[in-house]
Amino acid sequence: DTEVTQTPKHLVMGMTNKKSLKCEQHMGHRAMYWYKQKAKKPPELMFVYSYEKLSINESVPSRFSPECPNSSLLNLHLHALQPEDSALYLCASSQGHSGTQETQYFGPGTRLLVL
Amino acid sequence: GNSVTQMEGPVTLSEEAFLTINCTYTATGYPSLFWYVQYPGEGLQLLLKATKADDKGSNKGFEATYRKETTSFHLEKGSVQVSDSAVYFCALSDGGAGSYQLTFGKGTKLSVIP
Repeated sequence: DTEVTQTPKHLVMGMTNKKSLKCEQHMGHRAMYWYKQKAKKPPELMFVYSYEKLSINESVPSRFSPECPNSSLLNLHLHALQPEDSALYLCASSQGHSGTQETQYFGPGTRLLVL
Repeated sequence: GNSVTQMEGPVTLSEEAFLTINCTYTATGYPSLFWYVQYPGEGLQLLLKATKADDKGSNKGFEATYRKETTSFHLEKGSVQVSDSAVYFCALSDGGAGSYQLTFGKGTKLSVIP
């Protein structure tokens, strides 16, 4: 089973709202990722968690706040977003063996619209 | 740094036509190579992968061979179906110490018409 699940599937929020995106995997993977994908573009890496510790933050604005409560769950907390943050947010996971070529498995994404 | 170049679409084919989507890469070391597919309104699905030179990845009738001498990983399918209409991304991972980053190409949109 190579399934990564994400909720919600769609989200509409105002610029003053606080919301969270959730991601879950049960493959025993120890690396989890958040990507942002704009229309007609490849995914852009936002954050990487390795063994529940934040290992990469690609200079993402602080209005995006990731959290990894345990090895199976990854959250992305959203606050005071801008309309340009509207995008498809993808979660991915991989085994997490540093120094080896990892295969990342993606979830279906959350399509976010900021009004 | 690493980079992936793939043919930009859109590519429009008739059903049962032969498909080739070109992908070349630049990387240090010995990367793993991937093709991901994204159907309309969905996330990315791993289509196939190859981890070393001369490996052939295959899945659902699609194939790609890791060619180190030409730094290429071209995607092929002998007979496309309407259901293959999607965006295809070529990607690499070099797995350097502490690095889990995927480098993506820009994507190629394929439309298959009946």
